[in-house]
Amino acid sequence: RKEVEQDPGPFNVPEGATVAFNCTYSNSASQSFFWYRQDCRKEPKLLMSVYSSGNEDGRFTAQLNRASQYISLLIRDSKLSDSATYLCVVDGSQGNLIFGKGTKLSVKP
Amino acid sequence: GAVVSQHPSRVICKSGTSVKIECRSLDFQATTMFWYRQFPKQSLMLMATSNEGSKATYEQGVEKDKFLINHASLTLSTLTVTSAHPEDSSFYICSATTGTRYGYTFGSGTRLTVV
Repeated sequence: RKEVEQDPGPFNVPEGATVAFNCTYSNSASQSFFWYRQDCRKEPKLLMSVYSSGNEDGRFTAQLNRASQYISLLIRDSKLSDSATYLCVVDGSQGNLIFGKGTKLSVKP
Repeated sequence: GAVVSQHPSRVICKSGTSVKIECRSLDFQATTMFWYRQFPKQSLMLMATSNEGSKATYEQGVEKDKFLINHASLTLSTLTVTSAHPEDSSFYICSATTGTRYGYTFGSGTRLTVV
């Protein structure tokens, strides 16, 4: 089983749509969870950290289910500028980050 | 906020030559630097972890004699791809941390093409 698994997509949605991404991780000892955004040929940028209680940042909501080892990201009212690849990330044993392959989102006018 | 400067952003080199990639933390001291590699349509994969003043720890399958990492100061880490081959063509990116839980900062990445 891969350490972090995501649906690669692509997700093609119209502007204004709500879209949800899911992710599962294999290491039950993981403590830190993140969603990163990566634009084509660019470095990943932190979108938001994910907490057990769930957290929201504007149009973005992240949820964590430790029992199921499952992380989600919900984007409401999608904008064209949201088009990117969304990376599910968990912490590794050496303080590094373990990245999923990413889910590609394309928001169309 | 914390900034990591990575150079060069893009390099094309001939097979058999060596390429050095630098990562500098500009406004903080990076106790640990991570080097990742990303092939097209793949996830970022950790290559090695380096702590200032000590030898880097390489992930399984990464040749330490081919990918030389030097972390001589708290603000500079370098990755040298020696005797590069076309299969080394990839996106290389560093990440620095001060050791705090969420203190990860990424460089802007280096796209290496070996011809």
